Amino acid sequence: DAGITQSPRHKVTETGTPVTLRCHQTENHRYMYWYRQDPGHGLRLIHYSYGVKDTDKGEVSDGYSVSRSKTEDFLLTLESATSSQTSVYFCAVSGTRGETQYFGPGTRLLVL
Amino acid sequence: GNSVTQMEGPVTLSEEAFLTINCTYTATGYPSLFWYVQYPGEGLQLLLKATKADDKGSNKGFEATYRKETTSFHLEKGSVQVSDSAVYFCALSSGSNYQLIWGAGTKLIIKP
Repeated sequence: DAGITQSPRHKVTETGTPVTLRCHQTENHRYMYWYRQDPGHGLRLIHYSYGVKDTDKGEVSDGYSVSRSKTEDFLLTLESATSSQTSVYFCAVSGTRGETQYFGPGTRLLVL
Repeated sequence: GNSVTQMEGPVTLSEEAFLTINCTYTATGYPSLFWYVQYPGEGLQLLLKATKADDKGSNKGFEATYRKETTSFHLEKGSVQVSDSAVYFCALSSGSNYQLIWGAGTKLIIKP
């Protein structure tokens, strides 16, 4: 257990509204990741962070932004939610590059 | 580029049957290989891993051997239980950046 929490766990929102998901970790892992999981697509990386204020894009970053102002928090923002962003979002952390990742419990987002 | 290919599911077995879930990969260098499991409604958790050729990862009765000659990391278990019903993901570390490369996942259903 890497002490990862995600909030909220469930959210329903309307198209065009901003949404922020939070990932919080308690064990000082350097690397943090945001994934989305959709049927038929497995896990797809949205953005990742390799340190405070150091972030980069993953394979499906369009429509998403992230911020990491503290080691323990990694925020994912949908500036203007669309129905195609309905998904389950997972945060993950790792202590070293490319090695074991530990996952949070997920956030289920529904965009109407 | 690097990629992971898993057998398509769902895989349906009876309790106490022998399980194999195939995973093959394409990668440069010497990646680490992982199997993750996702139980219904939960996040992913590491099941086992192997970091170099011929290594065998094992956990909870599951095993997988890192075969460089066949670029494979097949997951096996000698006698499955209903509680093993889950989605299983194969992944590799690309080594050149911060990401894991994921297979699409294989859903396993065990019937009593």
